[in-house]
Amino acid sequence: EIVLTQSPATLSLSPGERATLSCRASQSVSSYLHWYQQKPGQAPRLLIYDASDRATGIPARFSGSGSGTDFTLTISSLEPEDFAIYYCQQRSNWPATFGQGTRLEIK
Amino acid sequence: EVQLVESGGGLIQPGGSLRLSCAASGFTVSNNYMSWVRQAPGKGLEWVSVIYSGGTTYYADSVKGRFTISRDNSKNTVSLQMNSLRAEDTAVYYCARGYSDFDFWGQGTLVTVSS
Repeated sequence: EIVLTQSPATLSLSPGERATLSCRASQSVSSYLHWYQQKPGQAPRLLIYDASDRATGIPARFSGSGSGTDFTLTISSLEPEDFAIYYCQQRSNWPATFGQGTRLEIK
Repeated sequence: EVQLVESGGGLIQPGGSLRLSCAASGFTVSNNYMSWVRQAPGKGLEWVSVIYSGGTTYYADSVKGRFTISRDNSKNTVSLQMNSLRAEDTAVYYCARGYSDFDFWGQGTLVTVSS
């Protein structure tokens, strides 16, 4: 089973700042790495699929990069609604696994 | 509009059984991979099971032999039969479309296993 390690666990930033979230895989997942946003009491929402493709309706301030074992989710300029928990997920190898999440909080 | 609505959660004693359902609209479940993903209280996400468009099913090791995923094409629904429930199965269970990535999710249904 591939383990995904996200860092940092918590990121404290202010609106308007740039956020950089990391996801590292225990072995290569090629580009089969996806990112989700989850707000309290809500289901996760797909943001980025296949490492760098934005899902339908996702604002351009969200971008993803990376391949192999190291991936990054960048939010170029934080909006108030972006403060949430972010998860990465892979399905390169069975079973699908998720990272433990990064909490993005308002500083 | 794509929509997924789960139902069937509740409080159940250890060793008991529960059946979750997921009603889909806006697309055809039989043409898609459909998964169940769960989230224990205050914890992260865990994939549970998938049913492929061809009908093949797979399970996480933690539920294999206890849970069964199925679908009803006539009702456009996916179900998860959960037997021999344990305290560690307590979670919000989400129905999601897909398996490589999960592009649509239901709102989730809470399953609490406790005596």
